[in-house]
Amino acid sequence: DTAVSQTPKYLVTQMGNDKSIKCEQNLGHDTMYWYKQDSKKFLKIMFSYNNKELIINETVPNRFSPKSPDKAHLNLHINSLELGDSAVYFCASSQGSGGKFFGPGTRLTVL
Amino acid sequence: SQELEQSPQSLIVQEGKNLTINCTSSKTLYGLYWYKQKYGEGLIFLMMLQKGGEEKSHEKITAKLDEKKQQSSLHITASQPSHAGIYLCGADPSGSARQLTFGSGTQLTVLP
Repeated sequence: DTAVSQTPKYLVTQMGNDKSIKCEQNLGHDTMYWYKQDSKKFLKIMFSYNNKELIINETVPNRFSPKSPDKAHLNLHINSLELGDSAVYFCASSQGSGGKFFGPGTRLTVL
Repeated sequence: SQELEQSPQSLIVQEGKNLTINCTSSKTLYGLYWYKQKYGEGLIFLMMLQKGGEEKSHEKITAKLDEKKQQSSLHITASQPSHAGIYLCGADPSGSARQLTFGSGTQLTVLP
């Protein structure tokens, strides 16, 4: 069974469009995250939610809006996509101080 | 902010050889995580180290955290092609376990 799943796996879209990436975890974890991996493979945290409550919001343009309908889901909505938004976005979850489990990533390409 | 440096950036070894990847922090590490990433896949959690001098092993992979908790190493014994991928170290900068800072990764290639 997939622990952390993301959809879609690939997303190609035009500049200016609005798109969403969905994340679901079936591990019963209380915290979920969104990370962005840049071209140099650095992983930078964007958001963190604990029990549906936003606890970390790094310096991310407000075009990015996370939404957590319940503990098992954390979706990422992006408005007015820009070329610089092209990257791989990873969702992750954890419980307490345990290791983070990552999803397969969503490769976003903005044309 | 906490910075993590990994070395080497890339590593090519012959199958069966041992290898070591290093991760150095500019600040004391509250928690040090090792992950492996394959192209098109998510990050696979390998190990977490929290105490100075701690050492953990899983199959042929051993990770250590030094006493000062600023440096960690990942050692693979008798490498196999299945070990190939990108290895990332991640650190918990605040001890809250809510956020991870990652190094730039080490690309490992194992030649059969």
